[in-house]
Amino acid sequence: QKEVEQDPGPLSVPEGAIVSLNCTYSNSAFQYFMWYRQYSRKGPELLMYTYSSGNKEDGRFTAQVDKSSKYISLFIRDSQPSDSATYLCAMTPSGGSYIPTFGRGTSLIVHP
Amino acid sequence: EPEVTQTPSHQVTQMGQEVILRCVPISNHLYFYWYRQILGQKVEFLVSFYNNEISEKSEIFDDQFSVERPDGSNFTLKIRSTKLEDSAMYFCASSVVSGGITDTQYFGPGTRLTVL
Repeated sequence: QKEVEQDPGPLSVPEGAIVSLNCTYSNSAFQYFMWYRQYSRKGPELLMYTYSSGNKEDGRFTAQVDKSSKYISLFIRDSQPSDSATYLCAMTPSGGSYIPTFGRGTSLIVHP
Repeated sequence: EPEVTQTPSHQVTQMGQEVILRCVPISNHLYFYWYRQILGQKVEFLVSFYNNEISEKSEIFDDQFSVERPDGSNFTLKIRSTKLEDSAMYFCASSVVSGGITDTQYFGPGTRLTVL
């Protein structure tokens, strides 16, 4: 089983929709969970991170972690065409190396 | 806003040739990283670099790879004898420190390496 699994999509939604992006993982040592956004021909850009379980909100974005299920989500409210990008989840254990293990990324298309 | 820059944007080389990928990290950052992303695959860590030495490296970073900070601004990744499977997008990143997850890594736009 791969360490981090993420459906590559593409996920196509109309403008204004609520988007749900998800990852599952197998390594119970992961404690920090991150979401990156990657526009075409650009490097990944950190959107937000959470520690352990729970929710974190930043504007239209909400990150959610369920460690018991080894499942993390990113919700985007009122999605905009400018949100069209690939969204990468990444995670690291606490202590020691903070080098992230990435998922494959989900391609999101928000059409007007 | 300061950003990480990488050159060239696209490099085409013949198998067995040496390539050097260049990066200019953000000026006050102290930690530097290389990642690669094979087309359709996940981003994979290669190496991190601090205080003029490698601080961590992955299994991918074998003897064919080397990194260097030849001056105060550039950070390079050298692949000595390229193989077909080295074809990928290579991302450079930098961070102020590497004390934890709150230290954001800023990624450059990447260099697409094509090995023929």
